[in-house]
Amino acid sequence: ETGVTQTPRHLVMGMTNKKSLKCEQHLGHNAMYWYKQSAKKPLELMFVYSLEERVENNSVPSRFSPECPNSSHLFLHLHTLQPEDSALYLCASSLNPGQGGIEAFFGQGTRLTVV
Amino acid sequence: AQTVTQSQPEMSVQEAETVTLSCTYDTSESDYYLFWYKQPPSRQMILVIRQEAYKQQNATENRFSVNFQKAAKSFSLKISDSQLGDAAMYFCAYKRGGSNYKLTFGKGTLLTVNP
Repeated sequence: ETGVTQTPRHLVMGMTNKKSLKCEQHLGHNAMYWYKQSAKKPLELMFVYSLEERVENNSVPSRFSPECPNSSHLFLHLHTLQPEDSALYLCASSLNPGQGGIEAFFGQGTRLTVV
Repeated sequence: AQTVTQSQPEMSVQEAETVTLSCTYDTSESDYYLFWYKQPPSRQMILVIRQEAYKQQNATENRFSVNFQKAAKSFSLKISDSQLGDAAMYFCAYKRGGSNYKLTFGKGTLLTVNP
């Protein structure tokens, strides 16, 4: 059983829809991440939360809105997406670097298709 | 900016044989970490092995070992006694040390294991 759980596993949405991706970690970590994995491209870091505060936002369009209500849960709210946003969205968690957090642990991802 | 290059989009190996996956990186930092992640069809990114830049000794985890050439900025992964379950996408990743959260990934190498 993975320590990082993502739901849903698959999502198809229209460009006018609003949906949310959910991530939950059971590893006692205090940093959580959203990565985007597109075909033929390296994984792209989207957002980082540390102790529920956003610490990185890598020029992500505002149609993606993250939320971290506590250290175990992370959401990615989606609205008015474009077809090019279709990708695998991976959640990860780790301890903070200041606490020796070096390795990130990943979930199984949500395969998003925008039609 | 740090970059990670995997020059082999695809590799294949016979079961029980040995295969080496290549990775080079570019950084001006002296404190950093290198990783190999495996992504099977289940899509979950799994850490295979990690190397601290300050360690001269190459990391080893069972059948997996690395050849870390710091001066050449090369970090290859050797898989010995390949098994069918080793078939997956393999990603090389870099992380700067200190209070840094970001993993920089290469584009990946698809490994096929032939019975």
